[in-house]
Amino acid sequence: EADIYQTPRYLVIGTGKKITLECSQTMGHDKMYWYQQDPGMELHLIHYSYGVNSTEKGDLSSESTVSRIRTEHFPLTLESARPSHTSQYLCASLGQGSGYTFGSGTRLTVV
Amino acid sequence: SQQGEEDPQALSIQEGENATMNCSYKTSINNLQWYRQNSGRGLVHLILIRSNEREKHSGRLRVTLDTSKKSSSLLITASRAADTASYFCATESGGSNYKLTFGKGTLLTVNP
Repeated sequence: EADIYQTPRYLVIGTGKKITLECSQTMGHDKMYWYQQDPGMELHLIHYSYGVNSTEKGDLSSESTVSRIRTEHFPLTLESARPSHTSQYLCASLGQGSGYTFGSGTRLTVV
Repeated sequence: SQQGEEDPQALSIQEGENATMNCSYKTSINNLQWYRQNSGRGLVHLILIRSNEREKHSGRLRVTLDTSKKSSSLLITASRAADTASYFCATESGGSNYKLTFGKGTLLTVNP
């Protein structure tokens, strides 16, 4: 699990705080994704991007937002965190003719 | 809704035994992929099988795909304790849709 980095690994914050989860990849991949994984293990696509200045919402509605100003960065922001946002957030990227590469994830707890 | 559904949800075997996990999906696909996730970590890509392929091997892994039944299986031979993890199938749908849809996963426990 390398070449795509997520920070922080763990985050505990209070309700109402604004947070940004960072995701960076060094592989030059155009396509990047954010998945939310609930305690029952299911992964849900919440955002994706096919390149700079391109962002789309995924299959699961999310109150978070993303940006893609540079190829290598795909940060996810929650303007006002709530306990319902407690989850694991996984970032991934896709290169040519390969599987997806995932980061190690950020485990977010909102208290 | 989830595209893939793994079966069983949990599997416990002894070291040295084979482990078989199944996945069913609903719509046409470009390819199907299997991933492993160790507890609390990200997913690791194991193998990709395209819609025009029926079987693929990688080391101790064997994947089959039956597009007529919309199903796939992952076989891990001669399992080891280090294979203990959750295994997910994921499908990439037809066309230029570069999005993966995951199943719920199978939790595999290999007992030493």
